[in-house]
Amino acid sequence: GEDVEQSLFLSVREGDSSVINCTYTDSSSTYLYWYKQEPGAGLQLLTYIFSNMDMKQDQRLTVLLNKKDKHLSLRIADTQTGDSAIYFCAESPGGYQKVTFGIGTKLQVIP
Amino acid sequence: EPEVTQTPSHQVTQMGQEVILRCVPISNHLYFYWYRQILGQKVEFLVSFYNNEISEKSEIFDDQFSVERPDGSNFTLKIRSTKLEDSAMYFCASMGGGEKLFFGSGTQLSVL
Repeated sequence: GEDVEQSLFLSVREGDSSVINCTYTDSSSTYLYWYKQEPGAGLQLLTYIFSNMDMKQDQRLTVLLNKKDKHLSLRIADTQTGDSAIYFCAESPGGYQKVTFGIGTKLQVIP
Repeated sequence: EPEVTQTPSHQVTQMGQEVILRCVPISNHLYFYWYRQILGQKVEFLVSFYNNEISEKSEIFDDQFSVERPDGSNFTLKIRSTKLEDSAMYFCASMGGGEKLFFGSGTQLSVL
């Protein structure tokens, strides 16, 4: 079945870049997502990439997709303390089918 | 910006009791979902709903669970006889354009 794996924890200094990595198993994944969850809040869609793309940039966020290795990464430039949260990698075959999530990477930004 | 709203934010219940979790999806969305997140574990898919019927469900979504769209705005998840292991954060979500899934803030269910 589908599986999404990501590391549990990342700590960076304010102003540095953060890179959160993710691997997935489903070769039929059409959409790859990054969601952010702040304490006590829901899942906020940060960005997503279509499987025929290998990069997407949105302000401080850069998503890289290596479809051959089924590897997805999220780079946050100039990381701020407000970026401290849990970041979930997720994938979907599209067409309104279910989205499968990783366990989430907790990003800690040290001032 | 339109959002998915869920009520209540916290629900405490006794084991064996029925609970109904409520959601108001984004108004022009047609696909609705329930997910749950047990503390420290992955966000798990429960069920998807379209055109007044279940379109997909996971093995977690057994006979104790049901979903309903009782009117044009609400989408509910009912757990008939709650168990301790049902304690989790339950997220409602809706999708409009086929790729963006929008989530509510969740209902934290505690079964005692």
